This record gives sequence, structure tokens and C-alpha cells, in this order.
Amino acid sequence: EDQVTQSPEALRLQEGESSSLNCSYTVSGLRGLFWYRQDPGKGPEFLFTLYSAGEEKEKERLKATLTKKESFLHITAPKPEDSATYLCAVQSGGSYIPTFGRGTSLIVHP
Amino acid sequence: DTGVSQDPRHKITKRGQNVTFRCDPISEHNRLYWYRQTLGQGPEFLTYFQNEAQLEKSRLLSDRFSAERPKGSFSTLEIQRTEQGDSAMYLCASSPWTSGNYEQYFGPGTRLTVT
Repeated sequence: EDQVTQSPEALRLQEGESSSLNCSYTVSGLRGLFWYRQDPGKGPEFLFTLYSAGEEKEKERLKATLTKKESFLHITAPKPEDSATYLCAVQSGGSYIPTFGRGTSLIVHP
Repeated sequence: DTGVSQDPRHKITKRGQNVTFRCDPISEHNRLYWYRQTLGQGPEFLTYFQNEAQLEKSRLLSDRFSAERPKGSFSTLEIQRTEQGDSAMYLCASSPWTSGNYEQYFGPGTRLTVT
């Protein structure tokens, strides 16, 4: 059974204070690992897909990296508007059912 | 707006009533997913369609839950005889599901409150 564990559950940063969110996973043959951003009361917003170990993707202040066991979402010089819950999900080759983690709630203080 | 849309956005119902939610996916996407999300949790998979075929429904929470996608376009999720435990956000997502492109795009969700 695919498993996804995200840490920390909650993270508070000062504006400009860079940090990383972790997503550890166990899957039988990774088809893809996905990062989403979710604002309160809204649906998740797609950010990145990573397919193989060593892959990296960037978007503005966000950078996602992937190893064989975990993914990191690095946030560089965050701003208050980066405050949201960040969700990680995996899709294994043997299943068409995505498995989501519980998310990391990020608050960036001005 | 060409994103995924859901209707209604909010639904308040009394215990025992039936409710139906609608999802309109991105038009060129052939896969459509339904999820349930409760506070502090990630989305929980319920069911999905490839065009009009429902390929996985074993994760529907009980036989009170059913979903359809009659013409391979919009989809509906029905909950019969609602219970207070059904209160949650119900999310719909669509995906192009082509080689190398498996990401899902979510709608805004329907917030269900059962009183």
C-alpha cells in the first residue's frame, strides 16, 4: 500500500526566512510525485510533478526536488502570500489511485 | 474560465436527506476523480472515471454513495440518507492522463454540512 508522510505538520516562518517541507513516501514503482498548494476553503492548486530521482522543478520562490524515498519543497525568501497548506501526493505504477499526505500548514509572518 | 467547476459550492442539509453534487471537468481531460477532504487531512480518494466508464468504486465510503458520468463529460456524486459524518469538503479533479502527464486539476469543492 502506498504511503505518504509529510513533515512538519505546521511551520511558521518570518518573511524572508527560507525553509524546506518534507514528503516521505513508500510506493511500488513511482509513476509521479505531485505537489499542490491549498488555500483555506479552496481546492488544491497544482504546483509540480516529479517523475524520477534527481529531478528538480522551480516556480517563483518554490523548488521541488526528488530522491528515491522523499521529496522536498524548498521555499526561498517566503512572503506572506505563500501562506497555505502544501500537499504531497504519489501515484504508483501499480495503481491508478493517488495517495495524498496530510499536508504541511505554512504561515509566513510579515 | 476553463478550469474545473463544481456546483453547489456549499450545501446544508438535514440528516436523512439525499444530496447531489455536480462537477464539470476541463473539457479535454478524459479522467475525472472524486475526493472527500475533512479538516486537517489530505484528499481521500472516492472514485474515478475514464471517459464514461467508472473504473474504481471500491473506495466509495458506503453504498449510500454513488457517482455517474453519463456522457463522459460532467459527473455527479450522490449521497443518499446523509449522516452527520458525511459533513466534509467534496472535491472533483480532472486529468489529461496522457503519457507523462498525470497531474490532476481540482475544482473549488462543495462544502457539505449535515445537521
